[in-house]
Amino acid sequence: KAGVTQTPRYLIKTRGQQVTLSCSPISGHRSVSWYQQTPGQGLQFLFEYFSETQRNKGNFPGRFSGRQFSNSRSEMNVSTLELGDSALYLCASSLASASGGQYSYEQYFGPGTRLTVT
Amino acid sequence: KQEVTQIPAALSVPEGENLVLNCSFTDSAIYNLQWFRQDPGKGLTSLLLIQSSQREQTSGRLNASLDKSSGRSTLYIAASQPGDSATYLCAVRPWGGGSQGNLIFGKGTKLSVKP
Repeated sequence: KAGVTQTPRYLIKTRGQQVTLSCSPISGHRSVSWYQQTPGQGLQFLFEYFSETQRNKGNFPGRFSGRQFSNSRSEMNVSTLELGDSALYLCASSLASASGGQYSYEQYFGPGTRLTVT
Repeated sequence: KQEVTQIPAALSVPEGENLVLNCSFTDSAIYNLQWFRQDPGKGLTSLLLIQSSQREQTSGRLNASLDKSSGRSTLYIAASQPGDSATYLCAVRPWGGGSQGNLIFGKGTKLSVKP
């Protein structure tokens, strides 16, 4: 079974531009979460989508948005890029189903998209 | 507010040593705890997941324990190898009525295993 895939793997953008990142979850996984990783802040949660609905959101400005399609693929968009948006953006998928009466929610991560804003 | 701390930030050991990585969290109301490995410039690889009702999980040379009451987890690596060199991240999922979707991560422990 294929893992989580993210495209593109690398991006270089200029301040003020916008960018769209894509994530394809593991087949059958309905939950997709996005995280930002920087050397200073570490890994921080952006948002989670489940069945095309945003179910949870982290503490990021409204310039960061996302969506999920009916096939569970997800995109995140960052508008009006700032230098501080340079980071590794990671997508994770989860089956989010019960086994033995307890939900697992084990998350599987993709390789990430390295965004550099100049 | 849940906070996750990993100590030490970096660790260097000779090949063959057994070692323990530490993770502590401030709020014991967690759904589960997950250990990951991250190689430079790469994504995260899930190593072990411990549900809140469990005390430990094992996979090969790895053993993770969870003590919710004290807010601690440890990752034990037996007979370390140079290929184990990576950053190890601990993450907790807060308890909150179903999937909250978000893991709260520590800053990680960078492990270097010398041949």
